[in-house]
Amino acid sequence: NAGVTQTPKFRVLKTGQSMTLLCAQDMNHEYMYWYRQDPGMGLRLIHYSVGEGTTAKGEVPDGYNVSRLKKQNFLLGLESAAPSQTSVYFCASSYREGTEQYFGPGTRLTVT
Amino acid sequence: AQRVTQPEKLLSVFKGAPVELKCNYSYSGSPELFWYVQYSRQRLQLLLRHISRESIKGFTADLNKGETSFHLKKPFAQEEDSAMYYCALSDNQGGKLIFGQGTELSVKP
Repeated sequence: NAGVTQTPKFRVLKTGQSMTLLCAQDMNHEYMYWYRQDPGMGLRLIHYSVGEGTTAKGEVPDGYNVSRLKKQNFLLGLESAAPSQTSVYFCASSYREGTEQYFGPGTRLTVT
Repeated sequence: AQRVTQPEKLLSVFKGAPVELKCNYSYSGSPELFWYVQYSRQRLQLLLRHISRESIKGFTADLNKGETSFHLKKPFAQEEDSAMYYCALSDNQGGKLIFGQGTELSVKP
């Protein structure tokens, strides 16, 4: 099992460009999450999904959109990137509420 | 408001010394608390959760509801314990985790 994978690992964008980050899990988990990690701020939840076809906002959703068309995939989109979105993005999945979340390796995004 | 606070950004100890990483929380209800660890260049992974009440890699954490704390302790630190440690609270609406700011533990030889 690959667990949770993320594509790409690194990306540099110019302000205003768009991109999509892909998260995939092969553990048949219902719940999936996107976090961003910034120095001194820990991890903050951007969006999450409690099942295929569902999405919900987290703590810092502005400037991001998500889709969960297939159970194993959770996509994070940036429509018009801003320097404030420079961060490390982590995807995670879990079987159900309150259970261990399994994290991906992260995507390091720089917006210039 | 639900919140997790880790007051120390950096904790530096010598090998063999005791370690305590502090975590305080605010939550209205019965909390589920976790410690996650991120070793250099690795992904976050679960270290322990309060429900299991087990010791992992020599670390333990006790939930103190009176003090709303979930401090992580180890009696004798090892160099391989050097990592970033995150305390997290599970929001039982969608299983969201609320993370603290993280504490970087540095164990010197």
